[in-house]
Amino acid sequence: AQKVTQTQTSISVMEKTTVTMDCVYETQDSSYFLFWYKQTASGEIVFLIRQDSYKKENATVGHYSLNFQKPKSSIGLIITATQIEDSAVYFCAMREASSGSWQLIFGSGTQLTVMP
Amino acid sequence: DPKIIQKPKYLVAVTGSEKILICEQYLGHNAMYWYRQSAKKPLEFMFSYSYQKLMDNQTASSRFQPQSSKKNHLDLQITALKPDDSATYFCASSQEKTGGPYNYAEQFFGPGTRLTVL
Repeated sequence: AQKVTQTQTSISVMEKTTVTMDCVYETQDSSYFLFWYKQTASGEIVFLIRQDSYKKENATVGHYSLNFQKPKSSIGLIITATQIEDSAVYFCAMREASSGSWQLIFGSGTQLTVMP
Repeated sequence: DPKIIQKPKYLVAVTGSEKILICEQYLGHNAMYWYRQSAKKPLEFMFSYSYQKLMDNQTASSRFQPQSSKKNHLDLQITALKPDDSATYFCASSQEKTGGPYNYAEQFFGPGTRLTVL
């Protein structure tokens, strides 16, 4: 069965530092897609970055990057030079290529607080 | 201008009543979705539609019925409302490539409708 697990419920960091948020997933599919979203305090859900399972290179978008460790079924989100406005809940999500389902399976989220 | 519009932003209903949640997307996407987020659970997938056809239904209850009158509209009708239906309902959309599943697109979310059932 497909499952996405985020064990860190909350993280606090100082502004301008680097933070890593963990995510592990379970899937029987050989091809799958991993996504990270953030949900702001207003409730808005914003797509950040994705990693396709068949790509070996870690994805990078702006100050977001991924640490994809396929043998460990792990996809960590790294935020460098954090800013106050990065404070949000971060969700990891997965979509399988051949399950026939169009759904995203979400983890429970990690609350990030960036302190001045 | 907002690309995905959800109406209303807040909705209060009484147990047993019926409500319709509205979603319109102006991203030109060919697929639309409904997700639910309650305090007790993470974001849960409900339905997916593509070109006004139901692609996937993960909602056990028939009280939840998606309705698509136009390709960029996907409303959600909820009947016989229960307090457990209280949640924020998010509409999402994506541009899926045809011809194979190996390039699934990221989904973009609307602002949500917060439903409270008393």
